Amino acid sequence: DAKTTQPNSMESNEEEPVHLPCNHSTISGTDYIHWYRQLPSQGPEYVIHGLTSNVNNRMASLAIAEDRKSSTLILHRATLRDAAVYYCTLTPGTYKYIFGTGTRLKVLA
Amino acid sequence: DAGVIQSPRHEVTEMGQEVTLRCKPISGHNSLFWYRQTMMRGLELLIYFNNNVPIDDSGMPEDRFSAKMPNASFSTLKIQPSEPRDSAVYFCASSLGGLRQPQHFGDGTRLSIL
Repeated sequence: DAKTTQPNSMESNEEEPVHLPCNHSTISGTDYIHWYRQLPSQGPEYVIHGLTSNVNNRMASLAIAEDRKSSTLILHRATLRDAAVYYCTLTPGTYKYIFGTGTRLKVLA
Repeated sequence: DAGVIQSPRHEVTEMGQEVTLRCKPISGHNSLFWYRQTMMRGLELLIYFNNNVPIDDSGMPEDRFSAKMPNASFSTLKIQPSEPRDSAVYFCASSLGGLRQPQHFGDGTRLSIL
């Protein structure tokens, strides 16, 4: 199964943009890239997903490299409520996520 | 809108006891997933149901674990007998199914086996 690699932790100042990277060099042509985040004591929460093109929604933007071997989740203005563990996952099949260890984002006031 | 509802939120029991975790998926969702999260192994998929039928149980650790989905609005994950190494947070998630549909997770059951 294709795997993802993310930095263990990142820090950002409040109200500044945050770019969270993810490498997935063994991604296959049919794998979707999904991002989830997990706040303390909660279940993972869907953030965004994409296949080939960049995607935007109310929470974030997803930038996908042309070769699809990496992607970047962009939070345009980090708030204290965005402090969480962010998971980049692939879907090698119809439903199955392979969650990695994620990136713990710390937002500084 | 009600999200995925799990009960209990916390469970503490002694080794050897039977443990039953419950999940109510979002109404209208036809796919249901049980996950386990530990510090050592992260988030692991245990079993996946589609239209109440178990499709993939390859993540179920051993025969002590069983899961059922008697109808579209209810699922259980049972551990019998429980062991200390089963201590973890167990999440239930539901979705409309398919690659493009996000999974909606409950807040989990924190299970401690003494």
